[in-house]
Parts: sequence; C-alpha cells; structure tokens
Amino acid sequence: EPEVTQTPSHQVTQMGQEVILRCVPISNHLYFYWYRQILGQKVEFLVSFYNNEISEKSEIFDDQFSVERPDGSNFTLKIRSTKLEDSAMYFCASRVTSGGYEQYFGPGTRLTVT
Amino acid sequence: KNEVEQSPQNLTAQEGEFITINCSYSVGISALHWLQQHPGGGIVSLFMLSSGKKKHGRLIATINIQEKHSSLHITASHPRDSAVYICAVSIQGAQKLVFGQGTRLTINP
Repeated sequence: EPEVTQTPSHQVTQMGQEVILRCVPISNHLYFYWYRQILGQKVEFLVSFYNNEISEKSEIFDDQFSVERPDGSNFTLKIRSTKLEDSAMYFCASRVTSGGYEQYFGPGTRLTVT
Repeated sequence: KNEVEQSPQNLTAQEGEFITINCSYSVGISALHWLQQHPGGGIVSLFMLSSGKKKHGRLIATINIQEKHSSLHITASHPRDSAVYICAVSIQGAQKLVFGQGTRLTINP
C-alpha cells in the first residue's frame, strides 16, 4: 500500500541553524501539507501546497519557514534559523484532491533544537 | 475557544468494555476525521465522515451535522486499542485540518 515517507526520523540541531525536513508524498496525490505537534499539545496546521504554490498557511508559518517541491516527488519544509520553540514533531500529509478528502500522514520527524 | 473539543481527555477502561469518545465542533465543516496516534507518534486515519455512520471492525464513528457532534465507539476493547484518538475537521472552504486535543485511551488487561 502506498505511504507517505519522511526523513530524517529525528533531527537534532543547534539554535540558529537551518534545517530541511523531507517528505515523499503518495505519487498520485496533488495536495501536500505540513503540520507540527509540540510535545503534549495538539497537532497544528502549518501550510498547504498545491500546484507548486502555497494555497494556505497559518500564522505560525512566518518568514522563517518555507516549503518547496524541488523535483516532483519530494516535498520539503525549511526552517531558516531554528529557535528552541521550533522543537516539535513535524508531520507531512498528502491527499488526492481538494475538499473533505482523507489525508495520509507520514510517520513524522522529531526536531530537537538545543 | 477551541474550534474542536474532545471529551474525555483521558479514559482508562478494562478489556472488553465499550468505549465512547466525543467530539464537538463550532465551525462549518466539509468532513470530520478520526485519527489514531500511537506512542511512537505516527498518525493513522481511522474514519472520514460527512454524514451518518461508518463501521470498521470494532470501531464505529457517527456524526450529527445539525448538532455539530461526532462520537467514536470501540466495542470489545482490547489493550492494543490503547492510543491517543484525535478528532479533526476539514474546514469548509479551506485546505487545512483543525485538530482536537486528543483523548488518551488506556485499556487494561
């Protein structure tokens, strides 16, 4: 069964460093998402991406964040200058089309900023 | 006020018990999702509902659109059902999912 994959599973970085989190969505999916979950808190929406551009973003997704689909298969989230409060589990998700359709989640990348 | 509220936050039960987890929402939705999150952190989609009721094995999900309420039921609960169950909604006219805070379910043998 097709699945969303994410790498790395765990990333440790120092404050101020840039990190890139990678995702490979399911191949025929058209909509891509990043969510994050700070330890002990609920999952929060960061950004959605369709047709090579951001379709929606939350107030969390400020200028420190960017997303890219560089090669038609990978979908990346870049954090330019990490802060301690960026420590969280980051989930990528994808779905076939718009509307209330099922999103498929990757296993997550745990980001620890020291 | 949170757009999606779940109750209870924590639930401990004995193996074999019938479990109900509730979700209320305050916004217009195109669909409601029930998700399962295991201790390792991964999220698995259990159900997506826009009306009525769905059943998969021992899991049943219902939604009442007029009352903006959904329930997830587990029949004949088993220790392997122990996980965090999350209600999330697809907001009408938007792309994102909005999540509840989750219900931590523990089933004791």
